[in-house]
Order: sequence, then structure tokens, then C-alpha cells
Amino acid sequence: QQKVQQSPESLIVPEGGMASLNCTSSDRNVDYFWWYRQHSGKSPKMLMSIFSNGEKEEGRFTVHLNKASLHTSLHIRDSQPSDSALYLCAASKAGYNKLTFGKGTVLLVSP
Amino acid sequence: EAAVTQSPRNKVAVTGGKVTLSCNQTNNHNNMYWYRQDTGHGLRLIHYSYGAGSTEKGDIPDGYKASRPSQENFSLILELATPSQTSVYFCASAGTGDAEQFFGPGTRLTVL
Repeated sequence: QQKVQQSPESLIVPEGGMASLNCTSSDRNVDYFWWYRQHSGKSPKMLMSIFSNGEKEEGRFTVHLNKASLHTSLHIRDSQPSDSALYLCAASKAGYNKLTFGKGTVLLVSP
Repeated sequence: EAAVTQSPRNKVAVTGGKVTLSCNQTNNHNNMYWYRQDTGHGLRLIHYSYGAGSTEKGDIPDGYKASRPSQENFSLILELATPSQTSVYFCASAGTGDAEQFFGPGTRLTVL
């Protein structure tokens, strides 16, 4: 059973719209969440990480974390065609730096 | 930015043959990782290392060995390749603590 679940599997948003991606860990022994972005044919690159309850914003990207429910979400406002990619969520336990990835959400931003 | 390179970038192997995938990083990171990526499975951890001379089993180690002869190099070895090992393999490195992982460009392996 996948320990990190992501939804939806795929998502289409219009250019300029808001994309919302979800991720939940079924393993309660995790402390940190990571969001990676992978463009087609490329390697994953870290987008954002969140370790504490609450919200973190970097430009057009906002990440939320609810540690009680082990749920994180990534929101992309003013989505651009260049945001079209596979978005991977990962969870880790503090001090181990060993990531467990979900299957990812494919985001397509239509011009 | 962290520099992680992999070789070869593409490899075609025969069933039962031995395959070695190599990874090199120039950032003096202690931690290195090998993942495979298959459609519908995301990234799955095969082996990882906390430093030269150490290797640890990840979530799917069966059929794979790893070697970390130096801080910079981490190899993934398939002693008897099978078609089920056809995949894209990524190497990554990270500093100590809960640090960002930096990924290499990937190796596409096809086992016929």
C-alpha cells in the first residue's frame, strides 16, 4: 500500500488559474513534507518543503501542512504553461533524510 | 547548485547480463540515493548511503546491489538483469540532516 497518497492523479487548469494538489501520509512516523516538480524528460527538482504546521509562501506557490492529519497541499496561483509537469510529494522522518514519494499529480496548464 | 552526474544516460542490456550504473557528485554530500521511476509508481528507493563505505537497503532492494567506494561515487549493480528492471534510474545526493535532495539526469535502462 502506498504510504504517501496524492490526489488528483491529473489536473487541467487554464492559464492564469489556481491549481491545488493534495498529499497525505498514512505513516504517522513522518515529520517533514517535500514537494518536487519534474518536467517531462527531466529530473525532479525540489520546489518547496514544509516542516511546521501552517502555511509557507514562495512567489506563486503556497504550501499548507496539517501535522495532525499528515496532510499537505500545494497551491499554484496564476498558473503558467511552464508549470505543466509531474508534481511529486514526499515525506520523511526527522534526522533520516530518507524520502518516501507518492505517485505524483500530472498538472497540465492549458493556454 | 549541486552537480550530480550519471553514466551511462542510456543502456540496453540482455537478460542475465551484469549492469553497472554510475553516479558522481561534486558537492561533498554525505548522503546518496538510487531510485527507479516507473509509470504509476512514482519514485521508489532502491539503496542509499550515508558515506563512503556504507550502503543501506531501501524499499525495493531485491535484485540490486550498491557500492560507495568514495564520497563522490555511488554505483548501482544489477548482477543478473531481468526485463522487470527496465526503468529510469535516478541518483540523488544530499547533505547531512534533513536536506534537499539533488537529482542527477537519470539513466534509461532497457533489459531485453
